[in-house]
Amino acid sequence: DAGVIQSPRHEVTEMGQEVTLRCKPISGHNSLFWYRQTMMRGLELLIYFNNNVPIDDSGMPEDRFSAKMPNASFSTLKIQPSEPRDSAVYFCASSPEYSGNTIYFGEGSWLTVV
Amino acid sequence: GDSVTQMEGPVTLSEEAFLTINCTYTATGYPSLFWYVQYPGEGLQLLLKATKADDKGSNKGFEATYRKETTSFHLEKGSVQVSDSAVYFCALRRGQGGSEKLVFGKGTKLTVNP
Repeated sequence: DAGVIQSPRHEVTEMGQEVTLRCKPISGHNSLFWYRQTMMRGLELLIYFNNNVPIDDSGMPEDRFSAKMPNASFSTLKIQPSEPRDSAVYFCASSPEYSGNTIYFGEGSWLTVV
Repeated sequence: GDSVTQMEGPVTLSEEAFLTINCTYTATGYPSLFWYVQYPGEGLQLLLKATKADDKGSNKGFEATYRKETTSFHLEKGSVQVSDSAVYFCALRRGQGGSEKLVFGKGTKLTVNP
C-alpha cells in the first residue's frame, strides 16, 4: 500500500520566494497533520485537519504560513514569503481518527531557504 | 497541557549492550503511547505502541510497557546492533474529545559502535 506521499522531497529556494509543499495522505485516513522538524526546536505540530477541516492551527508560526486541504486526498502547506529561518524538514502525516491508531509519516520535504 | 519527557542523549553503546531510553508523560485521561524511530535522512517510522495501561508494545527486539502508576513508557532492548543507530522519539496521543495530535518528546539519539 502507498504511504503518505510528499513533494518535493528537497527544495532550495531564495528568501522571499513562495514555497508550496504537497501531501497525499493514505487513502481512508481522515486526519492529516503537518509537522516541522529543526535541530533547535525538535518536532513541532503546525496544523492538523480532521475530515478536511482545520482543527488546530495554533502551531502555525505566523501569517506567512498557510495550509489547505481541499479534499480528502490532498493538502498543501504554503510559505509566502519564505525566510532563511523557515529552513527545516516538513513532515506530513495521516491517520484514522481514533487515538490508538498510528499516525503514519511521509518521508518529509527538506526545505532550505538561502 | 500534555507533555512527554525523554532522557537526554546522545547515548553511545557498544554492539550487544543493553539499551534503556526513559520516557515519562503528563496527560489527562488515558492516552495511547508510541515510540517512533528516525534513521538518518529519513522520516519517522512507528517502532511500537501501547493503547492502555499494562500493555506491552514490542517490535524488532524493542519493548516498552505502559505504566500508568509511574506515567512511564521506557524503551528497552536486550542487545543492540549497529543498525539500531537512530533517533528515538516517545509520543502520546489522546482522543475521545481531547487532542488527537501526537505530542513528541525531544528525541534521543542512539549511536551503536561495532
